[in-house]
Amino acid sequence: GQNIDQPTEMTATEGAIVQINCTYQTSGFNGLFWYQQHAGEAPTFLSYNVLDGLEEKGRFSSFLSRSKGYSYLLLKELQMKDSASYLCAVKGNSNSGYALNFGKGTSLLVTP
Amino acid sequence: EAQVTQNPRYLITVTGKKLTVTCSQNMNHEYMSWYRQDPGLGLRQIYYSMNVEVTDKGDVPEGYKVSRKEKRNFPLILESPSPNQTSLYFCASSLKGQRVQEQYFGPGTRLTVT
Repeated sequence: GQNIDQPTEMTATEGAIVQINCTYQTSGFNGLFWYQQHAGEAPTFLSYNVLDGLEEKGRFSSFLSRSKGYSYLLLKELQMKDSASYLCAVKGNSNSGYALNFGKGTSLLVTP
Repeated sequence: EAQVTQNPRYLITVTGKKLTVTCSQNMNHEYMSWYRQDPGLGLRQIYYSMNVEVTDKGDVPEGYKVSRKEKRNFPLILESPSPNQTSLYFCASSLKGQRVQEQYFGPGTRLTVT
């Protein structure tokens, strides 16, 4: 089975740093993705981790610990446009067609 | 421009009236997938296709059909839509295989069934 948990909502201030956590329990693991989704729009790819450690990409970083079934997305120097939903997704095994199993998303509100 | 397109973007229909939502990608991707997104439930996979003529059920396939006659197209068919299929639908595509990284999503189709 698949179980992916992330907080429902978070609020942070413009210019600050925010960390969005994701824990997962899945029957197969071939990588963890973070997507950003603005209301009513398609998800857009942010990051991908398949090995333990930190991946940095500009203001966004993502961390993975496979032994703990844990990941986080770190957003630095927050901007108002970062207000969006952030989706954690785990890629399954070949039997599932390498399906992406999504968490329910974390709605981030950035305030002035 | 590499993209996934869906049509229509918005659709209001009545219970029982068959409809098809088209999905097309121009990236020569083998893998295509349909998701529905509902408040509080997140994105859930309906069907996926690993290649032409190869399709399989996702987590919520009931009430839906798909076909994959050509590599670029993956239509979603609702033979007899019901109000509980009111949702936001996304098509996605990617290269196949374990080394696949990201899925590219279409712009979404907002379906209302009355």
